Amino acid sequence: DAKTTQPNSMESNEEEPVHLPCNHSTISGTDYIHWYRQLPSQGPEYVIHGLTSNVNNRMASLAIAEDRKSSTLILHRATLRDAAVYYCILSNSGTYKYIFGTGTRLKVLA
Amino acid sequence: NAGVTQTPKFRILKIGQSMTLQCTQDMNHNYMYWYRQDPGMGLKLIYYSVGAGITDKGEVPNGYNVSRSTTEDFPLRLELAAPSQTSVYFCASTRRGLDTGELFFGEGSRLTVL
Repeated sequence: DAKTTQPNSMESNEEEPVHLPCNHSTISGTDYIHWYRQLPSQGPEYVIHGLTSNVNNRMASLAIAEDRKSSTLILHRATLRDAAVYYCILSNSGTYKYIFGTGTRLKVLA
Repeated sequence: NAGVTQTPKFRILKIGQSMTLQCTQDMNHNYMYWYRQDPGMGLKLIYYSVGAGITDKGEVPNGYNVSRSTTEDFPLRLELAAPSQTSVYFCASTRRGLDTGELFFGEGSRLTVL
């Protein structure tokens, strides 16, 4: 299974954009890039996913590098409610598994 | 729709006892997963199922068993509880086609083994 690498923690000021990086240098051509977040004392929740093109939804944007070896989750205006652990994972339609790493703990400063 | 429902939410077990964590989903999802999360750590995949009657091991299957007799239910069995199994357990499900689907998680079951 392809692995992802994320920084352990990041900080951001409230109402500023946040760019959360993820490296996945061993990604295969059919791996989708998923992002989930886990708020304190809750189960993970889906944020966004993509294959090759950049993706936008109501929660965030996903920017995927041209060589697909890295991606960035963009929160356009961080709020205190965005403080969570963010996980970048790869999913392949052939392997069925979603393997989580240790994620990035985002702290949002008021 | 209730989504993914886990029971119980909390449980204390003595060493050597057995129990089953229940997970049911009402979204007609074909894929289901069990994860455990130790304090301050990420999620580890225990077992998963791609449909009724089909299960497979994840990263940390030792000490656990699963079954999938229906599309809706995916129970996780602990046969001889050990302190190392103290953790929060999450069940998840997804419907997959050509695209890999969004995972939906339950609220978790917090298990303490003393």
